[in-house]
Amino acid sequence: GDSVTQMEGPVTLSEEAFLTINCTYTATGYPSLFWYVQYPGEGLQLLLKATKADDKGSNKGFEATYRKETTSFHLEKGSVQVSDSAVYFCALRESGGGADGLTFGKGTHLIIQP
Amino acid sequence: EAGVTQSPTHLIKTRGQQVTLRCSPISGHTSVYWYQQALGLGLQFLLWYDEGEERNRGNFPPRFSGRQFPNYSSELNVNALELEDSALYLCASSLGGPATGKLFFGSGTQLSVL
Repeated sequence: GDSVTQMEGPVTLSEEAFLTINCTYTATGYPSLFWYVQYPGEGLQLLLKATKADDKGSNKGFEATYRKETTSFHLEKGSVQVSDSAVYFCALRESGGGADGLTFGKGTHLIIQP
Repeated sequence: EAGVTQSPTHLIKTRGQQVTLRCSPISGHTSVYWYQQALGLGLQFLLWYDEGEERNRGNFPPRFSGRQFPNYSSELNVNALELEDSALYLCASSLGGPATGKLFFGSGTQLSVL
């Protein structure tokens, strides 16, 4: 079945550092890929998405590129801020008419220190 | 615009009891999803309702059930509670089905089973 694997956390960085959170997936067909973010005390919210190979999703300074050859969708940001501290979830939705919800990774807790 | 609301926010039950969790989607959203977020397991897809019908369910036993009302709000029922049912239960809604991947999440109900 479909699965998403994320790097284990917590990931602790200093403000203005470069961020990479790795995400790889296993799926049949051609899934759409997503990054969701969960700020403390809040529900998950969509951060960015990509629907086909080589697409780049971007939002709030975050970027992720759909790499079919490496089945990856790594999240990057050039200069993180304390306000980026949150849990980040990589997710996929299988194409081909499957009537499923999203398949999520386990989440990566990001802590940004001033 | 009000977001997805869930009630109650916290709940403590004992093994064998039954529980009902409630969710109100964003106005105009017809699809409601339920996820279980257990410690160390990430988000697991439970149920998807659309237009009052159950469209799909995840790999959970039948004691997890629910329904969607004509106003699109939803209930999740869990019978014969077990210790491993302790988790954060998240509800999400979307305009139409899951194809867009843009789900809007509530803050969840934290269920503790003692």
